[in-house]
Amino acid sequence: GDSVTQMEGPVTLSEEAFLTINCTYTATGYPSLFWYVQYPGEGLQLLLKATKADDKGSNKGFEATYRKETTSFHLEKGSVQVSDSAVYFCALSDANEKLTFGTGTRLTIIP
Amino acid sequence: GAVVSQHPSWVICKSGTSVKIECRSLDFQATTMFWYRQFPKQSLMLMATSNEGSKATYEQGVEKDKFLINHASLTLSTLTVTSAHPEDSSFYICSARESGQRSYGYTFGSGTRLTVV
Repeated sequence: GDSVTQMEGPVTLSEEAFLTINCTYTATGYPSLFWYVQYPGEGLQLLLKATKADDKGSNKGFEATYRKETTSFHLEKGSVQVSDSAVYFCALSDANEKLTFGTGTRLTIIP
Repeated sequence: GAVVSQHPSWVICKSGTSVKIECRSLDFQATTMFWYRQFPKQSLMLMATSNEGSKATYEQGVEKDKFLINHASLTLSTLTVTSAHPEDSSFYICSARESGQRSYGYTFGSGTRLTVV
């Protein structure tokens, strides 16, 4: 079945540092890929998405590129802020459009 | 943008009682809603897919009689945890997809933290 593997946290960075959160997936066919963010006590918010190979999703300074050859969708940001502290989930949707989530990566940014 | 309201945001109940959680799409119609369970420091596990006007589709290992799902209208789905036990304590999250939208049309509720004592 489909699965998503993302780097385990927690990840702690200083403000303005470069961020990478790795995500790889296993799926049949051509899934759509997503990054969701969950702030404390809240539900999930869609951060960015890519629906086909080589697409780059971007939002709020975050980027991720759909790499079919490496089955990856790594999340990057050039300069993180304290407000970026949250839990980040990589996810995919299959032909049935069900979402499969990774385990989540807790990110803490210190001033 | 699309908003999903989930209520209550937290609830404490005694073992053996039932708890109902509501998930409402506020500004769009949703023929499909999804219910997830999230354990501490773990990912979201899909419990069931709720379809308006028909029976929910449960994922393998989820007890249908324990987690009752009703999707009686295009804007409301409810999850009832029946005869709750401490092991049912968890964070429950719903999501809704606007009718006619592709998968990236999912909107999530803010979640309900259930504690069974």
